[in-house]
Amino acid sequence: QQQVKQSPQSLIVQKGGISIINCAYENTAFDYFPWYQQFPGKGPALLIAIRPDVSEKKEGRFTISFNKSAKQFSLHIMDSQPGDSATYFCAASMGAQKLVFGQGTRLTINP
Amino acid sequence: GAVVSQHPSWVICKSGTSVKIECRSLDFQATTMFWYRQFPKQSLMLMATSNEGSKATYEQGVEKDKFLINHASLTLSTLTVTSAHPEDSSFYICSAQITGIGEQFFGPGTRLTVL
Repeated sequence: QQQVKQSPQSLIVQKGGISIINCAYENTAFDYFPWYQQFPGKGPALLIAIRPDVSEKKEGRFTISFNKSAKQFSLHIMDSQPGDSATYFCAASMGAQKLVFGQGTRLTINP
Repeated sequence: GAVVSQHPSWVICKSGTSVKIECRSLDFQATTMFWYRQFPKQSLMLMATSNEGSKATYEQGVEKDKFLINHASLTLSTLTVTSAHPEDSSFYICSAQITGIGEQFFGPGTRLTVL
C-alpha cells in the first residue's frame, strides 16, 4: 500500500515532442506528490509538485496532471529538449513524512 | 534558496575504515533530514529519518550500528559508515525538509567506494 508504481522505465522522445511519465499509488492518505529530476552523478532536484486539491499544475514546460479517483498522476514535458534527458522520479508522502519514490524513468530526448 | 550541501562529494576508503558524510542546509533550518542510498540505475532507498536533537529512525533492514546518524543542529546531519566494506559502496544522498513544510530538498550526493 506504500508503493508508488512508475512507468515507463525508459522513454525516448524526439526533440520538440511531449514526454509523458505516469505514476499510480494505493494509499489514499498521500497528500503531496512531487516530481524530481536527476542527472547522472547528481542528487535529485525538485521539479514540480502537486497536492490533491487541484487536478493540474503547470510550471513552464512541465505539467502535473492529477486524477484523485484513479489514484494516478503524471508528468508532461512539453517541447522536450535534449537538456531534459535525465531520470525522473515521482514520489508521494503523507504530510511532512517520508517520501515514497517510484522506480524512475530514464528519459532520452533525441535531437 | 533551499540549498543543501554534502561533503565530501566522493570518497575512496579501505575496507574496515569508517567514513563520515556531512549534510548541511545552507539557507534554511531543517528539523528533519533524510538519508538515502542509491545503487546504479535504481531508485532512492530511504535509510533513515533524522530529527534534530533526537535519535534517528531507521528503515527496516538498515543496520543502525553500521550507519550512525547524528543531527546535532538544525542545519547539520552526519552519516558515519562504520567498518565499511565493498558492499557499502554506493551513492549516498541526504535531503532536508523545511520545518513544517513537506518539500524535501536534496544534496548533490556522496559517492562512496570501498576497496
